[in-house]
Amino acid sequence: GAVVSQHPSWVICKSGTSVKIECRSLDFQATTMFWYRQFPKQSLMLMATSNEGSKATYEQGVEKDKFLINHASLTLSTLTVTSAHPEDSSFYICSARGRTGANTEAFFGQGTRLTVV
Amino acid sequence: GNSVTQMEGPVTLSEEAFLTINCTYTATGYPSLFWYVQYPGEGLQLLLKATKADDKGSNKGFEATYRKETTSFHLEKGSVQVSDSAVYFCALILYGGATNKLIFGTGTLLAVQP
Repeated sequence: GAVVSQHPSWVICKSGTSVKIECRSLDFQATTMFWYRQFPKQSLMLMATSNEGSKATYEQGVEKDKFLINHASLTLSTLTVTSAHPEDSSFYICSARGRTGANTEAFFGQGTRLTVV
Repeated sequence: GNSVTQMEGPVTLSEEAFLTINCTYTATGYPSLFWYVQYPGEGLQLLLKATKADDKGSNKGFEATYRKETTSFHLEKGSVQVSDSAVYFCALILYGGATNKLIFGTGTLLAVQP
């Protein structure tokens, strides 16, 4: 299957700093990328959907100024957590979907564990 | 609206036991259905899928059949192994919408003991 690489796999940062998480599709062109957040023992919460070259669409309740998403190319999307606080500590997962047909499967990255101290 | 309901875990089994994790869905259209698995500290991996009624998805000994009449997609395995210990997510997607986004259930933790 297709490979989606997420980097870093874990990061610890100080409160008030910003953290960037990268999501790359290694062997296909990802026209759409999704960013999820997962709280302990809970399901994945979709944060936003981004299409290459256009602004991300954020889900209700997600602060777009805090979680900046950029999808500048067909193989790379980034999520930047700005002015991070301890409550932003979570597991962030991206997924990517290609352009071949409407029913193309989405592939997931391995996730990023963010800890804000 | 569209939603997925899974049985709550954790499900604790002995090795070689039979596994069933129930999943039912509500959808305004005709969804495709998926099971994803998440091993500790990792992202999600697609385990199996079915795109139309009566389809059976299967992989690594796991099976699930798309039952339109009961709106269900229960996951089964005849003989579980310790290495199957993970969180299992049932999900659906409705194609043709604005974003075609996956909708996940809350996940079911499976713990298999030797």
